[in-house]
Amino acid sequence: NAGVIQTPRHKVTGKGQEATLWCEPISGHSAVFWYRQTIVQGLEFLTYFRNQAPIDDSGMPKERFSAQMPNQSHSTLKIQSTQPQDSAVYLCASSTTSAETLYFGSGTRLTVL
Amino acid sequence: GEQVEQRPPHLSVREGDSAFITCTYTDPNSYYFFWYKQEPGASLQLLMKVFSSTEINEGQGFTVLLNKKDKRLSLNLTAAHPGDSAAYFCAVSAGSAGNKLTFGIGTRVLVRP
Repeated sequence: NAGVIQTPRHKVTGKGQEATLWCEPISGHSAVFWYRQTIVQGLEFLTYFRNQAPIDDSGMPKERFSAQMPNQSHSTLKIQSTQPQDSAVYLCASSTTSAETLYFGSGTRLTVL
Repeated sequence: GEQVEQRPPHLSVREGDSAFITCTYTDPNSYYFFWYKQEPGASLQLLMKVFSSTEINEGQGFTVLLNKKDKRLSLNLTAAHPGDSAAYFCAVSAGSAGNKLTFGIGTRVLVRP
């Protein structure tokens, strides 16, 4: 079991550019979560899917951020018109629906210049 | 919504000493509690999962205490060693919100030889 796979590990974008982050959950896990980690704010919940359906996106900034889960094997987080304050480590996690434990990927470190 | 306060933000102890971290939460309906460990440059690794009915949980080299009356969750690293140097995060789930976890800000622990 390879665990949760996130790509790329690092991404550098210029201000105003678009960034797409990818997540492959653990096979058989039907819940996928996105978190953002910064030193100042810690781990902030963004959004999550269950059986590919969006369940809660209450943590997503209303503009510029969107997430999708087109199939059970991957989810994407897209940030349009990136800003320096979007710089963070974006973590994806997955879990089964019958257990509460989240298993995290290694994250994507996004740097917006 | 749920709020989790974690203290202290930084902790430096000598090898062999104990390191004590505490989290307080606000939602009395919280049911699942977690401690995660994050080594530099790595993702979050589950240290322990605690159910609301269990007050004292012992792991390898650490103890987790849950006090539901005071809404407090604690992690005690007993006889810390340099390999324990990492960031530690508590997380809380109300269960009714699905698997969504609310995290503490984290405690960066340094164990000095």
